[in-house]
Amino acid sequence: EPEVTQTPSHQVTQMGQEVILRCVPISNHLYFYWYRQILGQKVEFLVSFYNNEISEKSEIFDDQFSVERPDGSNFTLKIRSTKLEDSAMYFCASSVGSVNTEAFFGQGTRLTVV
Amino acid sequence: AQSVTQLDSQVPVFEEAPVELRCNYSSSVSVYLFWYVQYPNQGLQLLLKYLSGSTLVKGINGFEAEFNKSQTSFHLRKPSVHISDTAEYFCAVRSGGGGADGLTFGKGTHLIIQP
Repeated sequence: EPEVTQTPSHQVTQMGQEVILRCVPISNHLYFYWYRQILGQKVEFLVSFYNNEISEKSEIFDDQFSVERPDGSNFTLKIRSTKLEDSAMYFCASSVGSVNTEAFFGQGTRLTVV
Repeated sequence: AQSVTQLDSQVPVFEEAPVELRCNYSSSVSVYLFWYVQYPNQGLQLLLKYLSGSTLVKGINGFEAEFNKSQTSFHLRKPSVHISDTAEYFCAVRSGGGGADGLTFGKGTHLIIQP
């Protein structure tokens, strides 16, 4: 069964460093998303991506964040100058269509900023 | 703007007993509703979804949910739970406004099955 894969599963980084979280969405999917879940809190939407551009972003997704689909298979989230409060589980998701279709989630990357 | 409320952060239930996990939403437009389950150390897996049509939707693992527009609810039910149902359950909503809108999640309900 096709699945969304994320690497790495855990990432520890020093405050102020840049991190790149990687995702391989399901191959025939067209819409890609990033979500985060701070420990003990709800899953929060960060950004959606379609047709090689951001289609929607939340207020969390500020200039510190960027997304890219560099090679037609990977979908990356870059966090510049990480802060302690960026520590969270980051989930990638993809879907065939937009609002009325199921989003498939990856296993997540646990980011710890120290 | 849309929001999702899961009033119960934790629900303990004895094995083979029925369970209902509550979810209420608010939205100014039509919505699509989802329940996701997260087993320990795993990602989010779709249990079921309401897009249109019949208000009673059936999902995997014997779960079902009923969309109630007048009460803006989408409660999840299972008539008889198993120890393997222990997990975190998230209700989520997407607006029907078009585009690639992200899901808005509730805070989650931890279902604890007691033997």
